[in-house]
Amino acid sequence: ILNVEQSPQSLHVQEGDSTNFTCSFPSSNFYALHWYRWETAKSPEALFVMTLNGDEKKKGRISATLNTKEGYSYLYIKGSQPEDSATYLCAAAGNAGNMLTFGGGTRLMVKP
Amino acid sequence: DAGVIQSPRHEVTEMGQEVTLRCKPISGHNSLFWYRQTMMRGLELLIYFNNNVPIDDSGMPEDRFSAKMPNASFSTLKIQPSEPRDSAVYFCASSPGLNNQPQHFGDGTRLSIL
Repeated sequence: ILNVEQSPQSLHVQEGDSTNFTCSFPSSNFYALHWYRWETAKSPEALFVMTLNGDEKKKGRISATLNTKEGYSYLYIKGSQPEDSATYLCAAAGNAGNMLTFGGGTRLMVKP
Repeated sequence: DAGVIQSPRHEVTEMGQEVTLRCKPISGHNSLFWYRQTMMRGLELLIYFNNNVPIDDSGMPEDRFSAKMPNASFSTLKIQPSEPRDSAVYFCASSPGLNNQPQHFGDGTRLSIL
């Protein structure tokens, strides 16, 4: 099981602010990095899966980058909206057959 | 296309009873995952299957928990006997592949053991 950490644990921003959070994982043992968005009372929804160093993915106002050499990924949200309020989870796998380990999540609250 | 279907959505039962949670993965997905969500430990992977075969069950908390996948369209997670500390939300997810593909989660089963 990998040690996957996310920061910050929670974040309050105003509508229109751009924000970012971090996911860190062991760089010595890496296969894939997942980001999920989890709204209260719903189930996690996949945002991105990244496997290559330098990968950048984008979905609307949300984007993510991956640095496997130093063991981190950033998730960016441009121009936050109240509907972006959710917990953002990252998860990492050390190889193709290993279990995915989830971080503790970053809870984002966007105030109108 | 139907997503991952879990049943029941809610289960309330008394300590000592057997509990069976059910999952139907998305058709064509060959990997299936069972997770447990608690306040204390967040989202934990309990077990996963690839092509109906259990690959890693090291996340299963103890022998009271068992999981089966008799065919590509059905899986069960069983707790026998149940205890109050098993109360949690249990999610099932499926994926077209292993860890390089996104997982699609069901709506979860909220389990309460009295």
